[in-house]
Amino acid sequence: GENVEQHPSTLSVQEGDSAVIKCTYSDSASNYFPWYKQELGKGPQLIIDIRSNVGEKKDQRIAVTLNKTAKHFSLHITETQPEDSAVYFCAASKRGVTGTASKLTFGTGTRLQVTL
Amino acid sequence: EAGVTQFPSHSVIEKGQTVTLRCDPISGHDNLYWYRRVMGKEIKFLLHFVKESKQDESGMPNNRFLAERTGGTYSTLKVQPAELEDSGVYFCASSPTRSSYEQYFGPGTRLTVT
Repeated sequence: GENVEQHPSTLSVQEGDSAVIKCTYSDSASNYFPWYKQELGKGPQLIIDIRSNVGEKKDQRIAVTLNKTAKHFSLHITETQPEDSAVYFCAASKRGVTGTASKLTFGTGTRLQVTL
Repeated sequence: EAGVTQFPSHSVIEKGQTVTLRCDPISGHDNLYWYRRVMGKEIKFLLHFVKESKQDESGMPNNRFLAERTGGTYSTLKVQPAELEDSGVYFCASSPTRSSYEQYFGPGTRLTVT
């Protein structure tokens, strides 16, 4: 089955700096790669996603890049702010055998701390 | 539009007892997923409903776990009897249609088995 690895496990940056979190996946059939942000006491919140037919996607200060050949994808946060502090999870998914959407396989998470 | 809701938010039970977790997906969403995060590790898939049918239950750890989604609306996940290793946070997620990739998560139920 799919295996997703995520690095680093913790990341501390100063406010205004950029943060990069990297993930690799093992199943070449995976074609959907979302990123979730989890704040304390809350559930994971979908912040951005990318499909395998696209190499890069950007939404304001957040961007995701995908390298299908190398089977890795990354989350980039620019101009970090204290409210970006949270645990970030990457995930991978693919179509099920009947063509339906299917489960997400998650990375182990990255705790991002943005310091003043 | 209300998001995914889960009840209770926190449950503390003794080993051997039974607990039932409930998930109400976003209204109209056909897909409902259960996941759990144990001991700060990765979030792991448990099972997937499409309407009232179990599409994939490959992540269910053993027969002490029973999930239902009667009528294709809310879902329950029962753990009977609970063991210490069942402690963790149980998340529910939903997505609109059979072909939808995006999954929207609830706040989770923190289960502590003592």
